[in-house]
Amino acid sequence: QVQLQESGPGLVKPSETLSLTCTVSGGSISSYYWSWIRQPPGKGLEWIGYIYYSGSTNYNPSLKSRVTISVDTSKNQFSLKLSSVTAADTAVYYCATLSMVRGVMGYWGQGTLVTVSS
Amino acid sequence: EIVLTQSPGTLSLSPGERATLSCRASQSVSSSYLAWYQQKPGQAPRLLIYGASSRATGIPDRFSGSGSGTDFTLTISRLEPEDFAVYYCQQYGSSPQITFGQGTRLEIK
Repeated sequence: QVQLQESGPGLVKPSETLSLTCTVSGGSISSYYWSWIRQPPGKGLEWIGYIYYSGSTNYNPSLKSRVTISVDTSKNQFSLKLSSVTAADTAVYYCATLSMVRGVMGYWGQGTLVTVSS
Repeated sequence: EIVLTQSPGTLSLSPGERATLSCRASQSVSSSYLAWYQQKPGQAPRLLIYGASSRATGIPDRFSGSGSGTDFTLTISRLEPEDFAVYYCQQYGSSPQITFGQGTRLEIK
């Protein structure tokens, strides 16, 4: 069974870049598309974007100008960078598998809280 | 942009009762790409239903999904104590390619 684990700083200063990594175990990174989703405290889910192992990406237009998702197949990892963060970017960030056949996220990481504050 | 609106915002029911949760889309959604998730406090969402009506692996048969076009429903036939959580619908397809509803909180009455 695929397992995902997010890692990265829990505190980022305003205007800086948020960087997170998702490590995949129990499966090959070439088997799925890989997605990032976030959830502000007490609020709903927002899709950020996804990447395929080939490097092709698709981003939420509302975040596209600030988001970069990349993949490192040698490490079975994929990463998220979100630039010019503000307090509105404070959220739990999840990584997840994305099935293009079913259009769903079947396996999720446990999530990591990132707080934007000076 | 397809907006998913879930109702009610909060549903208060007792164990053993039937729960009916609604998800309405602002434009037609392919039934193949409408899903439901369950989220408990402090946990990641869990996939329940995909393709509007197919249960994900390991999901009890008291959970069922239905609908087409712009109106979709998640039904829990007999509520168990562990079913009280927040439920989200999600569509895949139109830009932004993935969107979620705002969620329905199912609470114990």
